[in-house]
Amino acid sequence: DAGVTQSPTHLIKTRGQQVTLRCSPKSGHDTVSWYQQALGQGPQFIFQYYEEEERQRGNFPDRFSGHQFPNYSSELNVNALLLGDSALYLCASTQLFSGTRSYEQYFGPGTRLTVT
Amino acid sequence: AQRVTQPEKLLSVFKGAPVELKCNYSYSGSPELFWYVQYSRQRLQLLLRHISRESIKGFTADLNKGETSFHLKKPFAQEEDSAMYYCALGKTSYDKVIFGPGTSLSVIP
Repeated sequence: DAGVTQSPTHLIKTRGQQVTLRCSPKSGHDTVSWYQQALGQGPQFIFQYYEEEERQRGNFPDRFSGHQFPNYSSELNVNALLLGDSALYLCASTQLFSGTRSYEQYFGPGTRLTVT
Repeated sequence: AQRVTQPEKLLSVFKGAPVELKCNYSYSGSPELFWYVQYSRQRLQLLLRHISRESIKGFTADLNKGETSFHLKKPFAQEEDSAMYYCALGKTSYDKVIFGPGTSLSVIP
């Protein structure tokens, strides 16, 4: 199992453009969360997908949207890119309702987005 | 407001010395507390969680609900402990995880 995989590794976009980032969860996991990690800061929760629906959302504008596919993989879309969107975007997967109160999120390596 | 604070951005200790990484939180209710670690050129990974009450790589963390703290401790630091450490909290398996800003630990040989 390769664990959580993300593509692409790096991406450079221009202000105003749109970007799509992709994530494949760890085998057996059905829930995908996306985080934004700006330089020098901890990851910030964007949203979480389960059963192809957005379950929870953090404090991010509607320019950030997502999708989950039947195979549990997920996409993060950002429209009208701003310079401030430059960050490392992390995907994490877990198994919802695993039967235990405690859980572990497995993180991918991230996609480094640079907006110029 | 739900928040995690880590007062030290950088922490340097000598090999063999004790290390303590501080974490305080604010949360209404009973969250689960975690420590995540990111070694150089590796992905973010879970180090330990409070309900497991286990020691991982010699690290322990005790949840103090009165002081709303979850400090990470190790009696004897090793060079391989040098990494970025994030304190985090979550409500349940379907809730978001809130991360602190992180502390960069450097163990001096």
